[in-house]
Amino acid sequence: GDSVTQMEGPVTLSEEAFLTINCTYTATGYPSLFWYVQYPGEGLQLLLKATKADDKGSNKGFEATYRKETTSFHLEKGSVQVSDSAVYFCASRQGAQKLVFGQGTRLTINP
Amino acid sequence: DVKVTQSSRYLVKRTGEKVFLECVQDMDHENMFWYRQDPGLGLRLIYFSYDVKMKEKGDIPEGYSVSREKKERFSLILESASTNQTSMYLCASRPSGGAGETQYFGPGTRLLVL
Repeated sequence: GDSVTQMEGPVTLSEEAFLTINCTYTATGYPSLFWYVQYPGEGLQLLLKATKADDKGSNKGFEATYRKETTSFHLEKGSVQVSDSAVYFCASRQGAQKLVFGQGTRLTINP
Repeated sequence: DVKVTQSSRYLVKRTGEKVFLECVQDMDHENMFWYRQDPGLGLRLIYFSYDVKMKEKGDIPEGYSVSREKKERFSLILESASTNQTSMYLCASRPSGGAGETQYFGPGTRLLVL
């Protein structure tokens, strides 16, 4: 079945550092890809998404590019802030099927 | 803005109690979902529903049941709560459509079973 593998955390960075959280997927077709973020004590909210190969999703300074050749959707941000501390989930979905989530990566940004 | 609300943020129950978790969405979405979230395990799908009175088992349905009598409301029921059901429970909804449709989550209910 389809699956999503994320970089294991926790990840700890200093403010203004460059962030990459790796995400790869396995799927028989071409799924849509998502990054969700969960701030402390809250539910998940959509951060960005991409629905076809080479699409770039972006939001709040975060970016991720749908790479079909490497089956990847890595999350990047050029300069992180303390307020970016959260758990990040990569997910995929094909058609009307259910979302498949990675295990989540906890990110902590120190001032 | 889409809003998904859950009846409680925190809940403490005793082993053997029947527990109801309620979820309501205000955007007329056809699809609704219940997940549990545990450290190191990510999100696991318990049940989902793609229409009123319809339900499908997810990956871990054992010990749970669901009810969807109205389109906006999806209830998760723990028939006889056990300590291994202590977890964070997340409800979500999504419109019908293509794979790119966004799924919206509620704030979660943290359940402790003593």
